[in-house]
Amino acid sequence: DAGVTQSPTHLIKTRGQHVTLRCSPISGHKSVSWYQQVLGQGPQFIFQYYEKEERGRGNFPDRFSARQFPNYSSELNVNALLLGDSALYLCASSYGSSGNTIYFGEGSWLTVV
Amino acid sequence: KNQVEQSPQSLIILEGKNCTLQCNYTVSPFSNLRWYKQDTGRGPVSLTIMTFSENTKSNGRYTATLDADTKQSSLHITASQLSDSASYICVVSLGGDKLIFGTGTRLQVFP
Repeated sequence: DAGVTQSPTHLIKTRGQHVTLRCSPISGHKSVSWYQQVLGQGPQFIFQYYEKEERGRGNFPDRFSARQFPNYSSELNVNALLLGDSALYLCASSYGSSGNTIYFGEGSWLTVV
Repeated sequence: KNQVEQSPQSLIILEGKNCTLQCNYTVSPFSNLRWYKQDTGRGPVSLTIMTFSENTKSNGRYTATLDADTKQSSLHITASQLSDSASYICVVSLGGDKLIFGTGTRLQVFP
């Protein structure tokens, strides 16, 4: 059984550009959440989607947006990239909306130059 | 402010030895507390989940404890192996999948 899969695994963008990161949850999981992990720090919560609806949002600017598709996969979009957006972006999935084991993907490494 | 603090920041032990990692949290509302293992450059892997009514939870050589009154948790690793070298992150859930992560304890196990 495939785990949480993310793409791309690595990418380099320049300041001001836009990026789209993709995530496929574990089959049967309906909840997808996104986290940003800057080097040397713990992950920071960005969004949670459950059944295609936003269930939670962290303290991130409006340049960050996300959506969940009918097949429960998800996209994270970041506009007007800043150098400080360079980080590992982790996608996680779980079966329900709360209290379940959360499984993380291997992440997408974004470098903004 | 919701915070999760871990100690020590880093730890070096010899293979076969035991160790205990600490976590203190000031998070409200509290849903559950989780411990994750994260290898460098990889996604975190869940070790344990505990609700406020659970005092201890084991997963193989990993045993987590929770004192919801003092808002403290610990992760005890028994008979350490070289593959235990990783960051161990204490995570508190506010509900949903909104998780507050600690900065982790970096464990290195030497032969």
